[in-house]
Amino acid sequence: GAGVSQSPSNKVTEKGKDVELRCDPISGHTALYWYRQRLGQGLEFLIYFQGNSAPDKSGLPSDRFSAERTGESVSTLTIQRTQQEDSAVYLCASSPGQASNQPQHFGDGTRLSIL
Amino acid sequence: AQSVTQLDSQVPVFEEAPVELRCNYSSSVSVYLFWYVQYPNQGLQLLLKYLSGSTLVKGINGFEAEFNKSQTSFHLRKPSVHISDTAEYFCAVSDRNTGRRALTFGSGTRLQVQP
Repeated sequence: GAGVSQSPSNKVTEKGKDVELRCDPISGHTALYWYRQRLGQGLEFLIYFQGNSAPDKSGLPSDRFSAERTGESVSTLTIQRTQQEDSAVYLCASSPGQASNQPQHFGDGTRLSIL
Repeated sequence: AQSVTQLDSQVPVFEEAPVELRCNYSSSVSVYLFWYVQYPNQGLQLLLKYLSGSTLVKGINGFEAEFNKSQTSFHLRKPSVHISDTAEYFCAVSDRNTGRRALTFGSGTRLQVQP
């Protein structure tokens, strides 16, 4: 498909386990973003990648959260030692370039539930 | 720092009636403005954006929004809604001038169109 693809679509895990979420951006999009959406709330920025530049990690809520991206392709968001407050939908978005006037294209998200 | 306030968490409206979803923002720098729609279990889809020029912006699905700089508002309107417009609507801003590329979102407004 031509859109942003995220996997898994749903993930249920026990408190304390590590989880890895995957995002495939639109081909050719150099910018990639991760957001978190808690139930009934707006989106919170987590991390931003642009090409080979150092990522903007200013939104990561704790050192249990990390993300990687290889070049301009797939990104993975890892949450270590999950807590119940990590339950949320994690959305990935990509855009063609780094300009802030370019709209972001979103995937359908990964719904993470921590038991 | 930026913030976005969506004054109504829920807006019920009858089919074919007009609707206005309110959005106000606060920012120390100039911003770009966006409205996104989120259908159940899906990611966000861009409705419209204001970058520059005419303050009245037309988007998809018959929606439009007007940028009011003096009131720091960007309200979304539609003259006649359909059942299919039932969804969550998010207002967002991005920074025109600095290096921050991520969007800052409001908490969302749930539009409920009733027959």
